[in-house]
Amino acid sequence: EAGVAQSPRYKIIEKRQSVAFWCNPISGHATLYWYQQILGQGPKLLIQFQNNGVVDDSQLPKDRFSAERLKGVDSTLKIQPAKLEDSAVYLCASSLVWGHPSTGYTFGSGTRLTVV
Amino acid sequence: DAKTTQPTSMDCAEGRAANLPCNHSTISGNEYVYWYRQIHSQGPQYIIHGLKNNETNEMASLIITEDRKSSTLILPHATLRDTAVYYCIVSSSNSGYALNFGKGTSLLVTP
Repeated sequence: EAGVAQSPRYKIIEKRQSVAFWCNPISGHATLYWYQQILGQGPKLLIQFQNNGVVDDSQLPKDRFSAERLKGVDSTLKIQPAKLEDSAVYLCASSLVWGHPSTGYTFGSGTRLTVV
Repeated sequence: DAKTTQPTSMDCAEGRAANLPCNHSTISGNEYVYWYRQIHSQGPQYIIHGLKNNETNEMASLIITEDRKSSTLILPHATLRDTAVYYCIVSSSNSGYALNFGKGTSLLVTP
């Protein structure tokens, strides 16, 4: 099966600009996750979607970050305006169902964002 | 969900077993233990998970102590391609089994 697709692979922007990342999960996966991974740290969960609804966005900095999953398939994560500390790899993951202990996550390769 | 503690880094000789420990002393009865790994410049990859019993699959074995306060991931015959950061995560239905990653253990497999 095809994996989780993310684009772009790399992005460099100036601070205060806006940027958007795209994710296409594995076909049929109901749940989609966005993570932020700062260099040297483990991934930090930002938001979880179940189909096209938000399950948990408590760790999403909502003053500048937004995410949507229209039609319950692919998703976009936006940052507006970007700050230097947003430099990180943004990972998307999907799983077959939400809330089942034996459902593994499949991760994409991520988008590496550099804010200068 | 309970917190986990892992060594920052470990070395292992190629062909030998790699034993990666994880402490989760505050784990509760309904929390599962998950292991993922992240090879450089890739997204994390699922390895194995368990609740109480030891588990084995084609990648690794998971040994959970009887009191469930710690576990060990075993890679029986480590290869250079097993060099990665290994994450031990504890999660439950309280969070929908969401994966919250710590810093993990950086495993270096040497020739």
